[in-house]
Amino acid sequence: AQKVTQAQTEISVVEKEDVTLDCVYETRDTTYYLFWYKQPPSGELVFLIRRNSFDEQNEISGRYSWNFQKSTSSFNFTITASQVVDSAVYFCALSEAYSGNTPLVFGKGTRLSVIA
Amino acid sequence: NAGVTQTPKFRILKIGQSMTLQCAQDMNHEYMSWYRQDPGMGLRLIHYSVGAGITDQGEVPNGYNVSRSTTEDFPLRLLSAAPSQTSVYFCASSYSRNSPLHFGNGTRLTVT
Repeated sequence: AQKVTQAQTEISVVEKEDVTLDCVYETRDTTYYLFWYKQPPSGELVFLIRRNSFDEQNEISGRYSWNFQKSTSSFNFTITASQVVDSAVYFCALSEAYSGNTPLVFGKGTRLSVIA
Repeated sequence: NAGVTQTPKFRILKIGQSMTLQCAQDMNHEYMSWYRQDPGMGLRLIHYSVGAGITDQGEVPNGYNVSRSTTEDFPLRLLSAAPSQTSVYFCASSYSRNSPLHFGNGTRLTVT
């Protein structure tokens, strides 16, 4: 069965620091998808990115970047020059392409606090 | 474009009461699911549906029922509320199982 581990429960950084959120996953499928979601203090869940298991290229979107490494089963998320608006809970999630119908399985989340 | 609409936003129940959390989506998505969010536990899957008439259990289904009579609606029923069901509930929909989930704004439920 698939599993997602976010070992960092809470992280606190000072504004403009870089911060990396770790995500380690387990799956027996060779085809799978990885996701990151953001949950700001207002409570809604915002989709950030989806990657499939065949695309190991790093992704950059503005101050956000993602590092996917199949060799270590990790899909880490880096925020460069963090801002107060980045304060949120971030969830990593996994779905398997062929094993049953279960939708996304989420990690427990990492709460990021960016201090001005 | 409403997306995923959940009602109510807040509710307080007494132990033993029943209620239905409503969820509707207007994106013609086949996949719908219910998650609960508890502190330190992340998002845990309660029930999901891959299309009208088809539902299945997730990780924490006990105490909850679902039905999917139409593509648009996926209500979650609490049969006999217990304090352990105090949580924030999110409904979500997606085009396919591996597509990004679109979430509703959540329902905060307190059982006392």
